[in-house]
Amino acid sequence: KNEVEQSPQNLTAQEGEFITINCSYSVGISALHWLQQHPGGGIVSLFMLSSGKKKHGRLIATINIQEKHSSLHITASHPRDSAVYICAVRWGAGSYQLTFGKGTKLSVIP
Amino acid sequence: DTGVSQDPRHKITKRGQNVTFRCDPISEHNRLYWYRQTLGQGPEFLTYFQNEAQLEKSRLLSDRFSAERPKGSFSTLEIQRTEQGDSAMYLCASFPTGGRTTNEQFFGPGTRLTVL
Repeated sequence: KNEVEQSPQNLTAQEGEFITINCSYSVGISALHWLQQHPGGGIVSLFMLSSGKKKHGRLIATINIQEKHSSLHITASHPRDSAVYICAVRWGAGSYQLTFGKGTKLSVIP
Repeated sequence: DTGVSQDPRHKITKRGQNVTFRCDPISEHNRLYWYRQTLGQGPEFLTYFQNEAQLEKSRLLSDRFSAERPKGSFSTLEIQRTEQGDSAMYLCASFPTGGRTTNEQFFGPGTRLTVL
C-alpha cells in the first residue's frame, strides 16, 4: 500500500526557533507537495519538489529521492507560522492522484 | 477575486437528501481536482479533470458520488442519498497546463457538509 507518513504529529515551538517537519513515503514518486492549512480550512501550496531543494523566504523544502524522505524547515519561526503543514505525493507518471499525510500541527508561542 | 471559488461554503442536510457543490477554478487553469477532508485528517483525493474529461476517480468515490465539468470550466460534485459518513470538507483545487513537475495547486476555501 502506498503510504505517506509525517512526523511529528504535533509540534510546539518558541518564537524564533528553527523548525523541521518530516515526510516519508513508501515507494517512488514523481512529485511531492508541501501545503499549509490554517484554522478555518484554507490551504495554500508552499512547494512542489521532484528533487533537490527549494527556498521561499523563511521556508526551505528538501527532498532525498533515494531515502524517500522530505523535510520542511522554517527558520526564525513566528506565531503566524502556526498552522497544519501537510505533505502530499504524486506516485507516478501514469497517475494524477495525490496521497496526503495526516499533517503536522505547528504552534509557535510568542 | 481571481482565486478558486466554491459554493456553498456550508451545507447542512438530512440523511438521504441529494446535495450538489460547485467549484469555479482560476479561469486559465485546465486541470481540476476534488478532495474530501475529515476532521484531523489530511485531504483524500476524489477525482481529477483535465478540461472536461474526468481522467481519474478514487475508489472512495462510490456510485452515490458523481462529478462533472461540462465545458471545461466550472465543476460540480453531486452526492446522492447522503449518509452521515459523508460529513466532511469538500475541497476543489485547480492548476494550469504545463510541465507536470512544475505546477502547484490553488485551493478553494472548501464546502463544509454536515449530514444530520
